[in-house]
Amino acid sequence: EVQLVESGGGLVQPGGSLRLSCVASGFTFSNSWMHWVRQGQGKGLVWVSRIYGDGRDTTYADSVKGRFTISRDNAKNTLYLQMNSLRAEDTGVYYCATDGGYSLYHWGQGTLVTVSS
Amino acid sequence: QSALTQPPSVSASPGQSVTISCTGTSSDVGGYNRVSWYQQPPGTAPKLMIYEVSNRPSGVPDRFSGSKSGNTAFLTISGLQAEDEADYYCGSFTSSNTRVFGGGTKVTVL
Repeated sequence: EVQLVESGGGLVQPGGSLRLSCVASGFTFSNSWMHWVRQGQGKGLVWVSRIYGDGRDTTYADSVKGRFTISRDNAKNTLYLQMNSLRAEDTGVYYCATDGGYSLYHWGQGTLVTVSS
Repeated sequence: QSALTQPPSVSASPGQSVTISCTGTSSDVGGYNRVSWYQQPPGTAPKLMIYEVSNRPSGVPDRFSGSKSGNTAFLTISGLQAEDEADYYCGSFTSSNTRVFGGGTKVTVL
């Protein structure tokens, strides 16, 4: 059974930093593209970033480019999202998800990030 | 990258059918057969219902079907059941090798 468990969320001031983690199990993590998606309270899904299985290729939404960095440690079956220069609009639940058929196939339960002073 | 356009809400009685539209551009929905649909009941994580326009993952009832015409994709739920009440989001691969979602549609079972 595929499991994705996010952690690292919390309350941070504007301009601050946070690192999210997503521990994966139940599939061959190193072969899988992975994504991060954000959802504001009562709002829709917003795609954030994607990374290839070997970690060499990454893409980002324009809204986070230059501030967020996606990475992975295949030895630890863990996906990361380093978030710097955080803004109020970055607030929301962050989900990690696997890629399959160019869709987001399996999703974690999410971790809440709140950017507020 | 602008969000894909979905109607805010649709509703129908149990047993009836509903169809949700998802409109994009030739750079996303219209350019690739890489449209997906997600179901999200309140307080839960999204669940993949349709991938590559019309394919269902294992375990998804065949009441759910997907199609596409030009820059617009569609999700149809036939034989609507109370458990189908949820928010539904479309998603697409884009020409920038990113992903984009629709704004979401709330399905209400009357």
